[in-house]
Amino acid sequence: DAGITQSPRHKVTETGTPVTLRCHQTENHRYMYWYRQDPGHGLRLIHYSYGVKDTDKGEVSDGYSVSRSKTEDFLLTLESATSSQTSVYFCAISPGSTGELFFGEGSRLTVL
Amino acid sequence: GQSLEQPSEVTAVEGAIVQINCTYQTSGFYGLSWYQQHDGGAPTFLSYNALDGLEETGRFSSFLSRSDSYGYLLLQELQMKDSASYFCAVRGIGGSSNTGKLIFGQGTTLQVKP
Repeated sequence: DAGITQSPRHKVTETGTPVTLRCHQTENHRYMYWYRQDPGHGLRLIHYSYGVKDTDKGEVSDGYSVSRSKTEDFLLTLESATSSQTSVYFCAISPGSTGELFFGEGSRLTVL
Repeated sequence: GQSLEQPSEVTAVEGAIVQINCTYQTSGFYGLSWYQQHDGGAPTFLSYNALDGLEETGRFSSFLSRSDSYGYLLLQELQMKDSASYFCAVRGIGGSSNTGKLIFGQGTTLQVKP
């Protein structure tokens, strides 16, 4: 299995609070991604990174920011969480040469 | 805009063959991937097609026609454990020089019955 871990795996927070999810990889892959998954919407790309300090927006980036200061870590931040951001968040990594992504186990976020 | 279309649900019986279609409309395209996801789990990679034609991996095959913006996943000798959601995904959307962007369809729920 690809070495990818997400933390925290579960979090409950209140509207208006900041939240940071962490994705850590040990594979030295170039690409890292954050997706959210909600019933009826499949997997939607929030942001992705194609190198250290190189990031780009996805389909649903509003309300989210990311940072990648080193190859192994990709952070997703919700500056002020809203109930609409209640979701399961998946991090994924890829060497980039094919369409193969390796996913983390997911982080379930509940915003009350 | 960009979009991927796949059926929301498919039902088949154990031992049968099922085909899950995916059509896409994107401003850039480098390849089509397929993923499987069981309830409560993470998506796992099944196959990737960058060129037209059929790719076979055991009981699963994937097909791509770039001229038709169409692909499918073929599952043979269905087993109960194949009950899951299946997602197609397009790489390279946007036509940027960065080909790492991967967008997923909404998924097809496959139910395999005895």
